Amino acid sequence: QKEVEQNSGPLSVPEGAIASLNCTYSDRGSQSFFWYRQYSGKSPELIMSIYSNGDKEDGRFTAQLNKASQYVSLLIRDSQPSDSATYLCAVPPLVSGGYNKLIFGAGTRLAVHP
Amino acid sequence: SQTIHQWPATLVQPVGSPLSLECTVEGTSNPNLYWYRQAAGRGLQLLFYSVGIGQISSEVPQNLSASRPQDRQFILSSKKLLLSDSGFYLCAWVLGSGNTIYFGEGSWLTVV
Repeated sequence: QKEVEQNSGPLSVPEGAIASLNCTYSDRGSQSFFWYRQYSGKSPELIMSIYSNGDKEDGRFTAQLNKASQYVSLLIRDSQPSDSATYLCAVPPLVSGGYNKLIFGAGTRLAVHP
Repeated sequence: SQTIHQWPATLVQPVGSPLSLECTVEGTSNPNLYWYRQAAGRGLQLLFYSVGIGQISSEVPQNLSASRPQDRQFILSSKKLLLSDSGFYLCAWVLGSGNTIYFGEGSWLTVV
């Protein structure tokens, strides 16, 4: 089992809809979780981080964490064509030796069509 | 504020040629530094990380190497490139004990 798994997509949603991106992780002891957005040909940029079970909202973005089920999701409300990108889920391994490593999923490609 | 720079942005190299990618961080000191690679259509793979000058840890066996000659400088090198080395190389940094990783602009390498 991969350490961080995401559906590769593409996930296609109409403009204005809610896009739901999911991520599962294998390390039950993981404590922090990150969502990055990567436009084609560009480097990833951090969207949100979440550390506690439940929801965390930031503008149109909501991260949801369920540690018991080992999944983290990202909801994008009122999706816009500019949200079309690949979304990467990242989790630090439980034993990272203090080096702050992140393990990335392969990413889910989101396409928002007008 | 902190910034990270990578260069060159793109390069095309023949098989067997050497490689040098450079990354510098500004506005901070003693950051943890990382080199990631992203092959076409694939996820990010951690290649090397460094917690200080001269301290390099390798995550995967390969014909690449990394060096950190100065606190805010991280270099990725190869003596002889392979076709499989093609990809998008990303330098990244973390400040202190935080987990948030910030990426540079990336370097596109095509080995022909």
